[in-house]
Amino acid sequence: SQQGEEDPQALSIQEGENATMNCSYKTSINNLQWYRQNSGRGLVHLILIRSNEREKHSGRLRVTLDTSKKSSSLLITASRAADTASYFCATVARGRGYQKVTFGTGTKLQVIP
Amino acid sequence: DVKVTQSSRYLVKRTGEKVFLECVQDMDHENMFWYRQDPGLGLRLIYFSYDVKMKEKGDIPEGYSVSREKKERFSLILESASTNQTSMYLCASSFRRAGYTYGYTFGSGTRLTVV
Repeated sequence: SQQGEEDPQALSIQEGENATMNCSYKTSINNLQWYRQNSGRGLVHLILIRSNEREKHSGRLRVTLDTSKKSSSLLITASRAADTASYFCATVARGRGYQKVTFGTGTKLQVIP
Repeated sequence: DVKVTQSSRYLVKRTGEKVFLECVQDMDHENMFWYRQDPGLGLRLIYFSYDVKMKEKGDIPEGYSVSREKKERFSLILESASTNQTSMYLCASSFRRAGYTYGYTFGSGTRLTVV
């Protein structure tokens, strides 16, 4: 089963608005990562937040992590048409001698110019 | 510009054929991964490798094998392609350092159609 589940599955906003995507997971994690995927392409790493961190910023991106609720959110401020993409959370947990990374099913974001 | 290169963007193969998907990275990464991506299912891990000649099964290894003879190259092999292996295949790589986690660098993907 998927470790990370994004919500909503799809989001459509006007350029300039903020976009918020959420990710919930089931088991303990070492860290959580967010990725972007433009249509039909590979994923691009955006940001990593460790389990002992609560908030992290990178440019227009803000990520929060609540380990008590097993959830994370990605906020994109002042969205642009170029932000149109699918966004995935990936949870990183300890496996058998290695770190297991599990991707969610993604949120499809459309930013309308 | 560092990158992960997948040999083909689009591939069409016949049922029963042996298919090779190649992935090369130029970042001296220890870890390499193969995922498949299907609508509604997200990314699912097929195989991964933490070192040369080393391989580990992921969540859906059935029908696939891999080869890592050199650090920079990780090949995914479909022994006898079937229509349910029609999918987008994504290769990724990352550093491996004790106590650290690094983000993955992905290739652009290979969209494989088995007819």
